[in-house]
Amino acid sequence: EVQVAESGGGLVKPGGSLRLSCAASGFTFRTFTMNWVRQAPGKGLEWVSSISPSGNYIYYADSVKGRFTISRDNSENSLFLQMNSLRVEDTGVYYCARDSILDFWGQGTLVSVSS
Amino acid sequence: ETTLTQSPAFMSATPGDTVHISCKASQDIDDDVNWYQQKPGEAVIFLIQEASTLVPGVPPRFSGSRFGTDFTLTISHLESEDAAFYFCLQHDNFPYTFGQGTKLEIK
Repeated sequence: EVQVAESGGGLVKPGGSLRLSCAASGFTFRTFTMNWVRQAPGKGLEWVSSISPSGNYIYYADSVKGRFTISRDNSENSLFLQMNSLRVEDTGVYYCARDSILDFWGQGTLVSVSS
Repeated sequence: ETTLTQSPAFMSATPGDTVHISCKASQDIDDDVNWYQQKPGEAVIFLIQEASTLVPGVPPRFSGSRFGTDFTLTISHLESEDAAFYFCLQHDNFPYTFGQGTKLEIK
């Protein structure tokens, strides 16, 4: 069974940092593009970042470029999102999603940025 | 950047009804639109891929169509369990973009 599970969310002050993780199982992780998507409270969804299977190709939303870094460890079947210089508007639930078509999603991890 | 304009934002329907949710793209994105269902506290469910292909395991009451840059999700024979938030996604070009979403209420 395909599963992805996010962790690492929490409460952080503006300007702070967090590192999100996504643990994958039930599929050959190293062959799939992976993505981060977020959803502000009561709002719609926003694509954040994508990384190719080998990590050679990486894309970011303009809203996070230069502050967030996506990475992966194929030996550990894990995806990461390092979030620096966090802003209030980064608050939301962060989802990990599999493949370029975002076919499987986790249940998300909540990031709250507040003073 | 491709904008997806989704409508309506909210709709209320009765069991047995048929409803249509629209996503209009700001440019040609071929068939690269997916539809999803989201319920509170649950993982997002992938319903339709490539505009009109039903994802395995999804009830055939769900269907998708495309006319040019207009994409539609249709839910027939509505059931109470269909109450949810529905959204579209374009994965034709970066940045990927989503429709604003539709909250479907079942009376």
